[in-house]
Amino acid sequence: QQQVKQSPQSLIVQKGGISIINCAYENTAFDYFPWYQQFPGKGPALLIAIRPDVSEKKEGRFTISFNKSAKQFSLHIMDSQPGDSATYFCAADTGGFKTIFGAGTRLFVKA
Amino acid sequence: GAGVSQTPSNKVTEKGKYVELRCDPISGHTALYWYRQSLGQGPEFLIYFQGTGAADDSGLPNDRFFAVRPEGSVSTLKIQRTERGDSAVYLCASSLEILSYNEQFFGPGTRLTVL
Repeated sequence: QQQVKQSPQSLIVQKGGISIINCAYENTAFDYFPWYQQFPGKGPALLIAIRPDVSEKKEGRFTISFNKSAKQFSLHIMDSQPGDSATYFCAADTGGFKTIFGAGTRLFVKA
Repeated sequence: GAGVSQTPSNKVTEKGKYVELRCDPISGHTALYWYRQSLGQGPEFLIYFQGTGAADDSGLPNDRFFAVRPEGSVSTLKIQRTERGDSAVYLCASSLEILSYNEQFFGPGTRLTVL
């Protein structure tokens, strides 16, 4: 059973544009929502994370928006750069232990 | 400092063989996780250790899969009677403590190919 649904599967954005990736979850017990960035041949790396007691978290060019009632959250990458080209995974877990990942979004930023 | 390391980086084996995949976590990290990532998919949780004990092994697909962490540091994922469907990248991650929401640091993975 897929517990975290992620869209789109792939995304092409012009340099300087905004990249938006959306996720939806089903399990209301989830209380931690991290986003990971993965480059080819590398393991995922934590990018930014949010707890459900806040609706938005911003770190540099990366912002998570969280809608608890809709059970949805999204990642916004402002001023997207070619170096941001990677696969992005949303995830959810309870207590930070057993993490459930989305299927991933392959982002390509055109120079 | 050194990150999470995994060996081998690539493993090719034949159907029915036994394989062992090794993970060296970041020094001092007490929590260790194994994930499996199939092509084009997100990592899938397999098992989680706190110290030497498996705190949650609910993600292991069947009894052909087994993992150990005898001294609370290095962990080995063991797969018996490998099947072609076991082909994937096996990722290991570690985190500082059992406390909630500690960042998981991932290794580069072992790419397993079962012919």
